[in-house]
Amino acid sequence: QKEVEQDPGPLSVPEGAIVSLNCTYSNSAFQYFMWYRQYSRKGPELLMYTYSSGNKEDGRFTAQVDKSSKYISLFIRDSQPSDSATYLCAMKADYKLSFGAGTTVTVRA
Amino acid sequence: GAVVSQHPSRVICKSGTSVKIECRSLDFQATTMFWYRQFPKQSLMLMATSNEGSKATYEQGVEKDKFLINHASLTLSTLTVTSAHPEDSSFYICSAPPGTSGISTLKQETQYFGPGTRLLVL
Repeated sequence: QKEVEQDPGPLSVPEGAIVSLNCTYSNSAFQYFMWYRQYSRKGPELLMYTYSSGNKEDGRFTAQVDKSSKYISLFIRDSQPSDSATYLCAMKADYKLSFGAGTTVTVRA
Repeated sequence: GAVVSQHPSRVICKSGTSVKIECRSLDFQATTMFWYRQFPKQSLMLMATSNEGSKATYEQGVEKDKFLINHASLTLSTLTVTSAHPEDSSFYICSAPPGTSGISTLKQETQYFGPGTRLLVL
């Protein structure tokens, strides 16, 4: 069993829809949770960062962490074609990051 | 703006040659940097942890003599792929944690990634 599980998709939604992404994890030592966005042939870009259970909102993006269920989510409201990318969840316990497989999202105009 | 840079962005080389990739932290000093490898449609695979002033720590299965890492300064780490072969063709990405940079916009407990280097070995 992988430490971090993420459905690779692909996920295709129409423009304006809500994109819902999630990851589950098994290591209860993870304390920090991140979402990265990666465009094709580019390095990952930090999108959201949280370190406690609950919700965090930044513009059209909302990150949720439920430590009791070992489950994190990312929601993208009013999705745009420019949101088409691969979204990677990442978690940290000590100094390394553990990544999910990444979910490829396409927002159709 | 970018906080970690990589050079070159793309390199094509002949089999048997060595290729050096540079990773620089632009706005902060990084005593630790990370090197990842990514195959198409796959997630990032950590290759090694680069430590300033000491030897790199390699992940299981990564040949240290094949992938030489030198953390020359607090802002520069290099990865040299020695005697490259076609199976070494991949996307190599570095990252650096800002640590206690004092820059409020950077998250201390995360990593910032470079733009990546695409290596093609013919």
